[in-house]
Amino acid sequence: AQKVTQAQTEISVVEKEDVTLDCVYETRDTTYYLFWYKQPPSGELVFLIRRNSFDEQNEISGRYSWNFQKSTSSFNFTITASQVVDSAVYFCALSEAWETSGSRLTFGEGTQLTVNP
Amino acid sequence: DTGVSQNPRHKITKRGQNVTFRCDPISEHNRLYWYRQTLGQGPEFLTYFQNEAQLEKSRLLSDRFSAERPKGSFSTLEIQRTEQGDSAMYLCASSQGSASYNEQFFGPGTRLTVL
Repeated sequence: AQKVTQAQTEISVVEKEDVTLDCVYETRDTTYYLFWYKQPPSGELVFLIRRNSFDEQNEISGRYSWNFQKSTSSFNFTITASQVVDSAVYFCALSEAWETSGSRLTFGEGTQLTVNP
Repeated sequence: DTGVSQNPRHKITKRGQNVTFRCDPISEHNRLYWYRQTLGQGPEFLTYFQNEAQLEKSRLLSDRFSAERPKGSFSTLEIQRTEQGDSAMYLCASSQGSASYNEQFFGPGTRLTVL
């Protein structure tokens, strides 16, 4: 069965600090996809990034970067120079490629990030 | 494009009552998903549709829950004989295509409170 673990329940930083959110996943599938979503206080989940299991290249998008390592089954998310607007709950999620799984997303429990001014 | 919409945004009901929620996906999206999120937890999958066909239901979806997607457009989720444990945020998402890598776009959710 697939599982996603986000061990950090809450993280609090001061603005401009860098912060890394950890994500560890379990799956029996050799083909799978990993996602990060942001849930701001308004509640609506916002898609941030998708990675497939074939592509271990790290990715950078502005202040955001992602480190995917299959050897450790991890897909960590770093925010550089954090801002107050980054305060939100961040979810890591996994979907498997099996047709029967229907691309359902399995979410971790989320990490509440608070960025203080 | 107005994104995924859900109605109502909030619902308060008494235990034992039936409730129905509606989700309108992004217009060209053929897949529609329902998730449930309780406080402090990540969303949990309930069921999904490809067009009008309901292809999978989670074990979380007891017999009191039923979902429909007539004509492959909007979807409804009904909970019969609500229980206090049903209190949660019910999220709808939609995606285009049938591949697992397609990102799902989420609506704002319907928050259900069962008294």
